[in-house]
Amino acid sequence: NAGVMQNPRHLVRRRGQEARLRCSPMKGHSHVYWYRQLPEEGLKFMVYLQKENIIDESGMPKERFSAEFPKEGPSILRIQQVVRGDSAAYFCASAQGVSAGNTIYFGEGSWLTVV
Amino acid sequence: GENVEQHPSTLSVQEGDSAVIKCTYSDSASNYFPWYKQELGKRPQLIIDIRSNVGEKKDQRIAVTLNKTAKHFSLHITETQPEDSAVYFCAASPSNTGKLIFGQGTTLQVKP
Repeated sequence: NAGVMQNPRHLVRRRGQEARLRCSPMKGHSHVYWYRQLPEEGLKFMVYLQKENIIDESGMPKERFSAEFPKEGPSILRIQQVVRGDSAAYFCASAQGVSAGNTIYFGEGSWLTVV
Repeated sequence: GENVEQHPSTLSVQEGDSAVIKCTYSDSASNYFPWYKQELGKRPQLIIDIRSNVGEKKDQRIAVTLNKTAKHFSLHITETQPEDSAVYFCAASPSNTGKLIFGQGTTLQVKP
């Protein structure tokens, strides 16, 4: 059973370009979470999605950031018109359910560098 | 919303000594408290977790305690080894959301 798969692992974008980060949850998991980790900081919750639904986007910046988890295919975190402050590691996590009995698994992360 | 405070931010111990990291949380509805170890450039790795119906859990050299009344939980590592050196994060999960609110992290250095 493959773990949470993220790609690309490393991405370099120039200021103003778009970044697309993809996440395939573990098999059988329908709950996907995105977290951002700025250099030398902790992980900050961004968004929680289920198939075709955004459940909680309270951690998403109001502009330029969007996320989706379509019926088919991976979850996508999209950052438009990137700025240097977007440089960070973006981690995706998945879970089978949301009760306290469900373990949350993290992917290897996507490291975005904006130059 | 939930807020998690973690202390200390850095901790240096001699090999073989114990290390203790403490976290407090604000949302009394939180019911799941995992601890993650993160090495440089790697993903967070779950090392132990505890649920709100349990006060203490142990796995070999690692133990976690939870005090729901005081809203704090702690990670205890005994007989530390150099390979325990990493950043450790506590987290709390508000009830039935699945999302994790992380502490600020503790950089643990174990000196040989």
